[in-house]
Amino acid sequence: AQSVTQPDIHITVSEGASLELRCNYSYGATPYLFWYVQSPGQGLQLLLKYFSGDTLVQGIKGFEAEFKRSQSSFNLRKPSVHWSDAAEYFCAVGNNAGNMLTFGGGTRLMVKP
Amino acid sequence: DGGITQSPKYLFRKEGQNVTLSCEQNLNHDAMYWYRQDPGQGLRLIYYSQIVNDFQKGDIAEGYSVSREKKESFPLTVTSAQKNPTAFYLCASNPSGRAYNEQFFGPGTRLTVL
Repeated sequence: AQSVTQPDIHITVSEGASLELRCNYSYGATPYLFWYVQSPGQGLQLLLKYFSGDTLVQGIKGFEAEFKRSQSSFNLRKPSVHWSDAAEYFCAVGNNAGNMLTFGGGTRLMVKP
Repeated sequence: DGGITQSPKYLFRKEGQNVTLSCEQNLNHDAMYWYRQDPGQGLRLIYYSQIVNDFQKGDIAEGYSVSREKKESFPLTVTSAQKNPTAFYLCASNPSGRAYNEQFFGPGTRLTVL
């Protein structure tokens, strides 16, 4: 069975600092990987996704993520955080048998002025 | 504007009552999903449907029921058999039901059992 672990429940960074959110997955084949962001009381918005090819993927809002097969990781990064980035971030893995996503527990990001 | 609508945004119910959460999409997507979100647990799949008149149980289907009579609609009923129904419920859709497609999410319904 596939699974996703986000080791950090909460992270606080200063505005303008760099950010890395960790995601580790467990899946037997090449996974489909996603990062979503959720503002309080809202639905989820896709930041970026990886299917194949270049292991460094660019997303919206200045985010990027790197797929590392040897480490079963798909960490999300941003070089300079803005106050508006404060939200909850979810990593997810999709199975190539079709239909389902498995989500990690989420990381809540707080941004200090 | 294309998208997914969920209603109501907030819902209160008494213990022992069934309640139905609405989810409508005008994206012409084949697949639709229901997730439950609890603090610190991420999203857990309740039910999903890849075509009209067909649906499958997800990881936590007990105490819930769904129907898919129309492509654009996928209502979720929380029954009195659900032991701990207070949660945030999210509906999503996917163009083809394939995992490589993005899932699009609605704004959610917060259900509170009094």
